[in-house]
Amino acid sequence: GENVEQHPSTLSVQEGDSAVIKCTYSDSASNYFPWYKQELGKGSQLIIDIRSNVGEKKDQRIAVTLNKTAKHFSLHITETQPEDSAVYFCAATHPQTGANNLFFGTGTRLTVIP
Amino acid sequence: EAGVTQSPTHLIKTRGQQATLRCSPISGHTSVYWYQQALGLGLQFLLWYDEGEERNRGNFPPRFSGRQFPNYSSELNVNALELEDSALYLCASSLEGNTEAFFGQGTRLTVV
Repeated sequence: GENVEQHPSTLSVQEGDSAVIKCTYSDSASNYFPWYKQELGKGSQLIIDIRSNVGEKKDQRIAVTLNKTAKHFSLHITETQPEDSAVYFCAATHPQTGANNLFFGTGTRLTVIP
Repeated sequence: EAGVTQSPTHLIKTRGQQATLRCSPISGHTSVYWYQQALGLGLQFLLWYDEGEERNRGNFPPRFSGRQFPNYSSELNVNALELEDSALYLCASSLEGNTEAFFGQGTRLTVV
């Protein structure tokens, strides 16, 4: 099955700096890679996703890059703000195989220091 | 230090059965959170336990229930299983209700 590894587990940055979170996956057939922002006691938020036919995707201060050959993808947050502090999860899946096959990384706790 | 542990890692049940999922928080953590992850829906908040009491509940039917034991471990019970209950169930723990949470690797429940 798929195995997703995520690094680092914790990350502290100064406000305004950039943050990068990296994930690797094992199954070359995986073709959908979402990122979730998790705030305590709340539901998570899908913040950006990328499919295997795209190398990079950007949405304002957030970008995701995918290297399918190396089987890794990364989340980039620029100009970080205190409200970016949260736990971020990467995931990998084959959308065609159903709801039970979303494989998560173990999360990165991002702290943005004002 | 051991992280949040969940068991079993995989669970297969048939419709109408009951499922019990278990979570052991990090030592010293008193809050335990349960989330359901279904494809395309993001992590959906289920339940929050702190000091043995249910503190908050997400938008799920009553057949989703749980409890927290004196040692702060927790169980999630799902009664009368339905096919759409198939998902990854994640448990997280924190020192108290308003600090960072650490997630376990999840239990993958399949209802057939």
